[in-house]
Amino acid sequence: QQKVQQSPESLIVPEGAMTSLNCTFSDSASQYFAWYRQHSGKAPKALMSIFSNGEKEEGRFTIHLNKASLHFSLHIRDSQPSDSALYLCAVSDNAGAKLTFGGGTRLTVRP
Amino acid sequence: GGIITQTPKFLIGQEGQKLTLKCQQNFNHDTMYWYRQDSGKGLRLIYYSITENDLQKGDLSEGYDASREKKSSFSLTVTSAQKNEMAVFLCASSIALGGYEQYFGPGTRLTVL
Repeated sequence: QQKVQQSPESLIVPEGAMTSLNCTFSDSASQYFAWYRQHSGKAPKALMSIFSNGEKEEGRFTIHLNKASLHFSLHIRDSQPSDSALYLCAVSDNAGAKLTFGGGTRLTVRP
Repeated sequence: GGIITQTPKFLIGQEGQKLTLKCQQNFNHDTMYWYRQDSGKGLRLIYYSITENDLQKGDLSEGYDASREKKSSFSLTVTSAQKNEMAVFLCASSIALGGYEQYFGPGTRLTVL
């Protein structure tokens, strides 16, 4: 059974900082990797996803994936107070089917 | 764009009571999901349905039943509510199973007295 863990559990950074969130998974045959963001009291919303090893950048957000290390990460450049939210990583099983979510990292960006 | 509607927004029940949560989507998506989110934590999959008339158990299915009445709707029943399952229940849908974005509803918050 896929195990997905996130670190740190919570993080406080000043506005303008670079933020790095980490996610580890247990199945090296996993096929799909995604980050979701959930603002307080709202529904989770997909942020970015990646299928293959490497890096993907969209605006201030970058995903790194290293399947051999069973690790992927989300980096937020020039963090803004509006980025304050619960960040959830999600990894598919080796059939590329259902997602397993991590326990989340609560990010607070101080103005 | 589409929307996912969950009813009710807040559900209060007695311990041992059978309770039903409902979800509707107008994305015309094939696959729907029910997740449980304990306070400020990650999501745990309860049930999912790949297509109409299909039901698959997730990691947390014990104590729950589900029903996919039609393509657009997916219901979850708590068979005997317990105090330790007070949480937010989130419904989601996606085009298909696999590496596709899941769209979430606003959630139903369950309180058990």
